[in-house]
Amino acid sequence: GQNIDQPTEMTATEGAIVQINCTYQTSGFNGLFWYQQHAGEAPTFLSYNVLDGLEEKGRFSSFLSRSKGYSYLLLKELQMKDSASYLCAVRDLGNTPLVFGKGTRLSVIA
Amino acid sequence: GAGVSQSPRYKVAKRGQDVALRCDPISGHVSLFWYQQALGQGPEFLTYFQNEAQLDKSGLPSDRFFAERPEGSVSTLKIQRTQQEDSAVYLCASRRRGGDGTDTQYFGPGTRLTVL
Repeated sequence: GQNIDQPTEMTATEGAIVQINCTYQTSGFNGLFWYQQHAGEAPTFLSYNVLDGLEEKGRFSSFLSRSKGYSYLLLKELQMKDSASYLCAVRDLGNTPLVFGKGTRLSVIA
Repeated sequence: GAGVSQSPRYKVAKRGQDVALRCDPISGHVSLFWYQQALGQGPEFLTYFQNEAQLDKSGLPSDRFFAERPEGSVSTLKIQRTQQEDSAVYLCASRRRGGDGTDTQYFGPGTRLTVL
């Protein structure tokens, strides 16, 4: 089976750093994606990891450990506009659709 | 167009009605996916097309759901005899390559379906 877990909600302060964790159990692995989704809008691509380690892209970084089935998304210098849901998604081997977690709703407060 | 577009953005249907949801993928994208997203949940896979071929429809919840992409570009998701449990946002995504490529899926804004 396939299972992806991430916290349901998180709150962080403007200007701070927040880490959103994601653990997964899938029969195979061919990459992990993070998407941002504002309410009522399309998910937008943030990052992609297929090898272990940290991928940095501006204020956002994503980390992957394949042996632990674990990833995190790190958001630095939080801004109010970062308030959104963050979706962790895994691509299984031999399958093309993404398997999504339920999303983490992040609220950035002043 | 620049991105994936979907229409209508909102649809209200009476229980038992048939609905048709349209997706215009990014021009030239080979792969097209449909997902269903319930409130407060992540998207769940419904079906996948590579060009005009429907390669995977394992996520379609019942035989009331039907999808097509006859010319390998625009796709339509049809739901017959809608039920209240069909109320959700239906997301379409496209990807430039087909096969086992790991390139990014780009999502449309979705169609919010409400069945009364």
